[in-house]
Amino acid sequence: KNQVEQSPQSLIILEGKNCTLQCNYTVSPFSNLRWYKQDTGRGPVSLTIMTFSENTKSNGRYTATLDADTKQSSLHITASQLSDSASYICVVSARSGYSTLTFGKGTMLLVSP
Amino acid sequence: ETGVTQSPTHLIKTRGQQVTLRCSSQSGHNTVSWYQQALGQGPQFIFQYYREEENGRGNFPPRFSGLQFPNYSSELNVNALELDDSALYLCASSLGPENTEAFFGQGTRLTVV
Repeated sequence: KNQVEQSPQSLIILEGKNCTLQCNYTVSPFSNLRWYKQDTGRGPVSLTIMTFSENTKSNGRYTATLDADTKQSSLHITASQLSDSASYICVVSARSGYSTLTFGKGTMLLVSP
Repeated sequence: ETGVTQSPTHLIKTRGQQVTLRCSSQSGHNTVSWYQQALGQGPQFIFQYYREEENGRGNFPPRFSGLQFPNYSSELNVNALELDDSALYLCASSLGPENTEAFFGQGTRLTVV
């Protein structure tokens, strides 16, 4: 069964600090891994997408890493801002004739002033 | 903004009623996928429509049905509503069913009482 596990479940950090969110997956056959940011009650917004051959991808203060051998990914947020408070969802796509996105439950990040 | 719009944004229905949710895909996108996101959970895949045909379905009962129109907008219909159907319903549009990049709408919050 395809699964995506994220940790921690929730996190509180001070404004300006860095943090790293983790994602482990068992999805096969692997196509790509995405990180989304979801504000409460809103739709997810894509931060990064990585394919099998990509190890690192950055989007501003967000840097995602992927280790396809160990099936692990991380999302590093640098110099956090209050607006970073949201749920961060790891999503893994399997190669298929149609979309088979498997979503993690997300890490709820709260950036405190 | 992703260019994907959903309506209505909020809805309250009574158990046993029927509901129709709507999604306008991003310009040029021919594929729409629908997801159900219960509170505190990651989105669960309901089904996908590609060029007006259902192109894949998740583990949802037949009372969840859909349509895609020639302009690629889509509807999600749920019959015989149950309390557990209360959730945020998300649609995502993409250029093709392999979903290399999916853009989500802001969601419809459905409450069944």
